[in-house]
Amino acid sequence: QLQLQESAPGLVRPSETLSLTCSVSGGSVSSSTYYWAWIRQPPGRGLEWVGSVSYTGLTHYNPSVASRLTLSVDTTKNRFSLRLSSVTAADTAVYYCARLALAGGYYSHFDHWGQGTLVTVPS
Amino acid sequence: SYEVTQPPSVSVSPGQTARITCSGDALPRQYVFWYQQKAGQAPMIVIYKDSERPSGIPERFSGSSSGTEATLTISGVQAEDEGDYYCQSVDNIGTYVTFGGGTKLTVL
Repeated sequence: QLQLQESAPGLVRPSETLSLTCSVSGGSVSSSTYYWAWIRQPPGRGLEWVGSVSYTGLTHYNPSVASRLTLSVDTTKNRFSLRLSSVTAADTAVYYCARLALAGGYYSHFDHWGQGTLVTVPS
Repeated sequence: SYEVTQPPSVSVSPGQTARITCSGDALPRQYVFWYQQKAGQAPMIVIYKDSERPSGIPERFSGSSSGTEATLTISGVQAEDEGDYYCQSVDNIGTYVTFGGGTKLTVL
């Protein structure tokens, strides 16, 4: 059974860089039929796709964060990572990592999710 | 950016049918996916590719799509179905993911 587990940075100071890692077990990140993604959810609000990365390093970012975002994959450690620079209070959210299936070359759905980790940026 | 739109809330009595809609300009060309999120939990997919139900999801959950609108239908709603439901799709290029704002299902 595939499992994803986010690291837990907790509190990040304004203007600093948020770093998260998602460790994958029960499956390999080195698959051509999936991307690996981050989704966030501000407290009391809806879901927002942050970005996705393939095992070869191809990335797609939400334009709302693209200028500050870097996603990467480490196939040797079977994990993928997020770096979001210059954070503000608006980046406070539960961050989920997830596996994103492909269908016909298009993004499809998120079929496995991590439990989520709360990242707080104080105002 | 591409957006899909859902009603903020739906309320039904136990045993009734709940219908949650999702609207978007690209829906005639792109699939819709539906997630259930209960309080304090990660979302879980309940319908994929408009109308397919993953294994383990009860038969009372069904999906359909026509034109620019998709619908999640929950027949014979149970108290355990209460939670937030999100539709998800992608843009015409297929590499920008969008979620609807979420619909809170209340079982009266």
